[in-house]
Amino acid sequence: NAGVTQTPKFRILKIGQSMTLQCTQDMNHNYMYWYRQDPGMGLKLIYYSVGAGITDKGEVPNGYNVSRSTTEDFPLRLELAAPSQTSVYFCASSTGPEAFFGQGTRLTVV
Amino acid sequence: RKEVEQDPGPFNVPEGATVAFNCTYSNSASQSFFWYRQDCRKEPKLLMSVYSSGNEDGRFTAQLNRASQYISLLIRDSKLSDSATYLCVLPIGGDKIIFGKGTRLHILP
Repeated sequence: NAGVTQTPKFRILKIGQSMTLQCTQDMNHNYMYWYRQDPGMGLKLIYYSVGAGITDKGEVPNGYNVSRSTTEDFPLRLELAAPSQTSVYFCASSTGPEAFFGQGTRLTVV
Repeated sequence: RKEVEQDPGPFNVPEGATVAFNCTYSNSASQSFFWYRQDCRKEPKLLMSVYSSGNEDGRFTAQLNRASQYISLLIRDSKLSDSATYLCVLPIGGDKIIFGKGTRLHILP
């Protein structure tokens, strides 16, 4: 059972570049989330989705975009990478009250 | 009041001591809560659930105080391996959940 799979695990971007962080879950969960976590800080919600075709902003959506064309996939897009987006990104899905996380993507923007 | 609030810590506790921390919430409709544990540079993982009757799992006890709207996590006989960040989680309707920012715990040898 794969659970939540994130790719890539690590990435270094130059300022102004774009990239997509991939997230896939095989548990048929409706809710999916993208969080970022800066060093020594808590999770900050970027975007979330309540099901295919439906997304909504979290507390720090600026600089990011998401889509949810299928139940399984919830990619996060960075269009113009900035140093402030250097962080660890976690994707999660939930059913009832329990959340399952991917292993994270460590992104550095230089 | 934020929906979920936690003291960020850090709590520096000697090995073998008992430590407790709380998580306050504002959505009184919640029926269940959860504690997650996050190790450094890792993803959060479910530690235990908290229901009206509380929950105990070995050295860990989680309790719910509805009147004061908080949940607590108590760790007895703390071990070095208990060093982590502990996050409370609040379901807010349907399958949507909210995470607290976490409380950092350092167990000192």
